[in-house]
Amino acid sequence: AQKITQTQPGMFVQEKEAVTLDCTYDTSDQSYGLFWYKQPSSGEMIFLIYQGSYDEQNATEGRYSLNFQKARKSANLVISASQLGDSAMYFCAMREGYNTDKLIFGTGTRLQVFP
Amino acid sequence: GAGVSQTPSNKVTEKGKYVELRCDPISGHTALYWYRQSLGQGPEFLIYFQGTGAADDSGLPNDRFFAVRPEGSVSTLKIQRTERGDSAVYLCASSLGRTEYSGELFFGEGSRLTVL
Repeated sequence: AQKITQTQPGMFVQEKEAVTLDCTYDTSDQSYGLFWYKQPSSGEMIFLIYQGSYDEQNATEGRYSLNFQKARKSANLVISASQLGDSAMYFCAMREGYNTDKLIFGTGTRLQVFP
Repeated sequence: GAGVSQTPSNKVTEKGKYVELRCDPISGHTALYWYRQSLGQGPEFLIYFQGTGAADDSGLPNDRFFAVRPEGSVSTLKIQRTERGDSAVYLCASSLGRTEYSGELFFGEGSRLTVL
C-alpha cells in the first residue's frame, strides 16, 4: 500500500495568493514525522517544514504552514503569499518511528506561480 | 564542504558497464542515505548507513547494486552490468543521525546516470 499519496500532479497559483498542496499518509506507527521538501529545476531537495505526530500545534516556517489533521491522516502544505520563486516540485515525505531518519516520499506536486 | 557533494554530476555509460557514484556528506553527519529518482517520480529509498555499516539496504533493487562507506564518511554506490532501466538521478543525503527533532535530511544535487 502506498504510504504517501499526493493526488495533485500539478497546481497553478497567482503571485501573492495562497495555495494548499495535499498529502495523505498511511502508517500503523504511533510515532512518525511528516516532512515537506521543495525541488526546484536545479534538482536539489530543500527542506521546508516538519511535523511530529505528537506535536499538538501545526508547524509553521515563515510563509509555509502544515495543516496536520491526524485523524484524517493528512498533512497539507499551505504556502501563503506565493512568489514566482516558489515554482518547483513539492514532495511530502514520512519517517516512521524514531529508529531511523529514512524518509518515504510521495510522487510530488508541480507548483507553477504566475504573475 | 558546506553541503553534500556528489560526483559525477552527470554520467553517461553503455549497457553492461560498471558505474561508481560518490557521495561526500556534511562533516559530522553520521547517517548517509542513497535515493534514486526516476523522471516524474519522488525519490525512492535505496540504502541507509549509520556510521560504516548499512543499517537498512531494503531498497536496493537487486544484487547489481552495492554501496560502501568504509570510513564512515564518503560513500560509493556501485552498479554492475548497468541496464537502461537504471537511468535516473541518484540522490545522496546525510543527517546527524537520530535526533529528538526533525532528523532533517540534507540532500546533494544528485548524479544523473544515463545508460545507453
